[in-house]
Formats: sequence, C-alpha cells, structure tokens
Amino acid sequence: NAGVMQNPRHLVRRRGQEARLRCSPMKGHSHVYWYRQLPEEGLKFMVYLQKENIIDESGMPKERFSAEFPKEGPSILRIQQVVRGDSAAYFCASSSQGYEQFFGPGTRLTVL
Amino acid sequence: AQSVTQPDIHITVSEGASLELRCNYSYGATPYLFWYVQSPGQGLQLLLKYFSGDTLVQGIKGFEAEFKRSQSSFNLRKPSVHWSDAAEYFCAALQNDMRFGAGTRLTVKP
Repeated sequence: NAGVMQNPRHLVRRRGQEARLRCSPMKGHSHVYWYRQLPEEGLKFMVYLQKENIIDESGMPKERFSAEFPKEGPSILRIQQVVRGDSAAYFCASSSQGYEQFFGPGTRLTVL
Repeated sequence: AQSVTQPDIHITVSEGASLELRCNYSYGATPYLFWYVQSPGQGLQLLLKYFSGDTLVQGIKGFEAEFKRSQSSFNLRKPSVHWSDAAEYFCAALQNDMRFGAGTRLTVKP
C-alpha cells in the first residue's frame, strides 16, 4: 500500500507564475489536508477536503490560493501569481476517518 | 485560543543519554495528541498517538509519551538516544483541526 504521494518534490517558479501542487492520498483515504511549513517553523493548517468538498479552508489565504479534491484524480493546491513569500514546503496528509493523518514527503516551492 | 506549545526550540543530548521533549496544549477539552518526527528534507512520520485510555503510550523507534491531564502535557521520552534520532520533533493536537507546535530540533553528540 503506497503512502501519500506528492509531486513535484521541488518546484521553482518566478514571481507572477502559477504553482500547482498535487497530492495522491493513501488508498482508501477520503480525507485530505494541506499544510504549509515556513523555514524554522511548524506546520500551519491550510485546508481540509473530502472528495469534491471543501470541509474547512480557514487556514487558506483569501486570495490567490485554492484547493480541490475531485472525484477522480489527486488533490490540487493551486497558487496563482506567486510571490516570494509563498516559498515554503507544502505538505499533504490523508486519513481514512479524520483522525490519524499520514503525511506525504512535501513539495518545496521556491519563488524567484 | 487552542494552541500547542513546545518550549524547547533546540535540545542537544549525548548518544546513549535519556531524552525528554516537552509539549503543552491549551484546549477546553482534551484533544487527540500526536508526536511526529521530521528528518531534513522529509515529510512527517508518526511516532505515537494518544486518544484515550492508558496515559503512557508506546511508539515506534523506542519512543514513549505520557499524557498528564493535570499539567496539560504530553511529553515525549526515550531512555537511550541514538545518533539516528537527530531530527525535528513536532507535537500536534487534533480537535476540529490539527495544530502543531513549533518543533524541537534534536542534536545528538557522539
């Protein structure tokens, strides 16, 4: 049973471009969570999704950030018009019942 | 406000010495509690969790943690540290959402 998969592992974008981060949850998991980790800091919750539904997006910036978890395919975290402050590691986690979360290896976004 | 606090930013211990990493939580009701470990450039790996029941929980890699309701604490311990334990350790609490402490970086001296 493969773990949570994220791609790409590293992503470099110039200011103003779009970043798309993908997360494939563990098999059988229908809950997906996105977190952001800034250097020297812990993880900050961004959004919680179930298939085709956003359950809690209280941690998402109001502008430029969006997330989806379609019926088929991976969950996508999309950042439009990236700025240098978006540079961070973005982690996805999945769970089967909303309790124990299993984390992916993360996507490290660098904005030039 | 709900929060998780890890008072120690950085801890250094000698290989073979005992380890205790502190974690305090501030919640109205006891949340579910977790300890994760993160190696450089890697994701988070779950060490152990507490939902209810026995307040001393055993985890992987020889780690254990003790839940103390009176102190709102969930400290992580290991009797004898190995060089491979050097990493960042995060305490987390889950109620409506998962909240993480800022982390404690563990350095192991030879």
